[in-house]
Amino acid sequence: KQEVTQIPAALSVPEGENLVLNCSFTDSAIYNLQWFRQDPGKGLTSLLLIQSSQREQTSGRLNASLDKSSGRSTLYIAASQPGDSATYLCAPTRGGYNKLIFGAGTRLAVHP
Amino acid sequence: NAGVTQTPKFQVLKTGQSMTLQCAQDMNHNSMYWYRQDPGMGLRLIYYSASEGTTDKGEVPNGYNVSRLNKREFSLRLESAAPSQTSVYFCASTGAGSYNEQFFGPGTRLTVL
Repeated sequence: KQEVTQIPAALSVPEGENLVLNCSFTDSAIYNLQWFRQDPGKGLTSLLLIQSSQREQTSGRLNASLDKSSGRSTLYIAASQPGDSATYLCAPTRGGYNKLIFGAGTRLAVHP
Repeated sequence: NAGVTQTPKFQVLKTGQSMTLQCAQDMNHNSMYWYRQDPGMGLRLIYYSASEGTTDKGEVPNGYNVSRLNKREFSLRLESAAPSQTSVYFCASTGAGSYNEQFFGPGTRLTVL
């Protein structure tokens, strides 16, 4: 059974810091892994998708890496801003049909 | 292009009442999903539909039924609501193949008294 752990559970940083959010999963047989952002009371916004054959994906100030063999993914946020404050969720697939298994998330607060 | 839409946004039920949550997508996606999110936990898969005409159970299907009405619409029904079903429900969809991005609706916040 796929289990997903995200560390840290919460993070509070001053604006401008470079951040590292960690995600680990127990079953390395995944098709892809998605990182999402969730603002309070809102739905999920997809940030990055990494296919199992890829090592990393970049979008603006975000970079996500994937190491399937060790069951780890990392989301880097460069030069953090208060607008980055949200919960970040990691979700690798389980089995076919793109079924996602979610971690509990990292709650990020970036203060001015 | 609205993406994934869900109705209603909020709902309060009494124990034993029934209701249907509606979901629609306009991206011509094959697969659709229902998840629930409880405080402090990640989302958990309730049911999914790999393609029109098929549905299958996820991690937490007990107490729910689903209908894939057509390619666009996927509904979730609670036949006899229980307080344990108080949660936020999200619908999602994705295109064909195993490497596609999943897109989520805004959610339905359900309280069962």
